[in-house]
Amino acid sequence: DTEVTQTPKHLVMGMTNKKSLKCEQHMGHRAMYWYKQKAKKPPELMFVYSYEKLSINESVPSRFSPECPNSSLLNLHLHALQPEDSALYLCASSQVKGGTDTQYFGPGTRLTVL
Amino acid sequence: AQRVTQPEKLLSVFKGAPVELKCNYSYSGSPELFWYVQYSRQRLQLLLRHISRESIKGFTADLNKGETSFHLKKPFAQEEDSAMYYCALRGAQGGSEKLVFGKGTKLTVNP
Repeated sequence: DTEVTQTPKHLVMGMTNKKSLKCEQHMGHRAMYWYKQKAKKPPELMFVYSYEKLSINESVPSRFSPECPNSSLLNLHLHALQPEDSALYLCASSQVKGGTDTQYFGPGTRLTVL
Repeated sequence: AQRVTQPEKLLSVFKGAPVELKCNYSYSGSPELFWYVQYSRQRLQLLLRHISRESIKGFTADLNKGETSFHLKKPFAQEEDSAMYYCALRGAQGGSEKLVFGKGTKLTVNP
């Protein structure tokens, strides 16, 4: 399996809902990432997990809560989101070997907050 | 600070013409540079990385440390090359995993 998968593909939620985005990879990668991508903009890093530990949080609001249950899975828990949080949420993974570290991206979850 | 600049938001060429997508970077150490491509309705995918010095789909990119550039080139553009192209930089110091993207260039190859 050489892909990063994400579920769901699309998600519509209200501002009071609680939902979760899921990401999975079986490439043995030990770093996983969440990015947010608004329309016609580049991806913006949100979180990085390295060896299942949170290593980077790019000052993301607490209504976004990441979780890495094991080396293959990455979740993003959503609660009390705002309409401006509507975006494509991308997951990526990489090997984290010393030296070159290429990130591979999932197809994304398109989130709409009403 | 890491910064990637792609000066052209849009680039339009005719099929068969040469194409060059510009990328300049700012980084105090030894960077790793990448080109990612996003075709319509498809995932972001790696096109090239400077360390591999390879040619993918006819595209090449050379890291010029003197000019701090990593321009993407193809001698003869094809219609299927139409996509959004992002240049990205990863700092190679301190095990940084942070990938910083440029704002992207939308390439349109006209028939």
